Amino acid sequence: EDQVTQSPEALRLQEGESSSLNCSYTVSGLRGLFWYRQDPGKGPEFLFTLYSAGEEKEKERLKATLTKKESFLHITAPKPEDSATYLCAVQMDSSYKLIFGSGTRLLVRP
Amino acid sequence: DSGVTQTPKHLITATGQRVTLRCSPRSGDLSVYWYQQSLDQGLQFLIHYYNGEERAKGNILERFSAQQFPDLHSELNLSSLELGDSALYFCASSVGLAGEYSYEQYFGPGTRLTVT
Repeated sequence: EDQVTQSPEALRLQEGESSSLNCSYTVSGLRGLFWYRQDPGKGPEFLFTLYSAGEEKEKERLKATLTKKESFLHITAPKPEDSATYLCAVQMDSSYKLIFGSGTRLLVRP
Repeated sequence: DSGVTQTPKHLITATGQRVTLRCSPRSGDLSVYWYQQSLDQGLQFLIHYYNGEERAKGNILERFSAQQFPDLHSELNLSSLELGDSALYFCASSVGLAGEYSYEQYFGPGTRLTVT
């Protein structure tokens, strides 16, 4: 069964304390892996797409990497405004729908 | 702002009723997707339309239906509503299908449906 698992479920960091979020997946025929940020009561905001193992993308304090079985979202020197739920989703090459993980709730304290 | 608009923002209705949620995709996007987000199920795919045609269905209940109009806006119709249908409903859009340069989906702000 196609599955996306994110860990940890929740993460509390002190401002400036770097860390990584994990997204592991078991799908047949991956077209792409997507990272989104979601604030409470809002729609998911697109961050990155990764298409092949070894690919990396960066945006401000965020860096996403992809291997054949998992992806990491590295947060360097986070700020309180980075607090949100980070969602990982996969898209198979047989479909255009996104299969989402349950997300990691990140809280960055000042 | 993703460029995807959804109305209404909030909807409160009673069990057994019918509602219509509306979505306008980003300018130029031909694909529209509907997702449901509930506390216990997370974000779940419902249905995908491309240029007016249904392309894929997820775990969409028979009480739910959708369509995409010639101007590319889409509507999600929910009927015989039950308490368990209370959730956030998101619309997303993307450029197109295979052969296009981008597969990213951009999400709207959502419609919060409360069934009492």
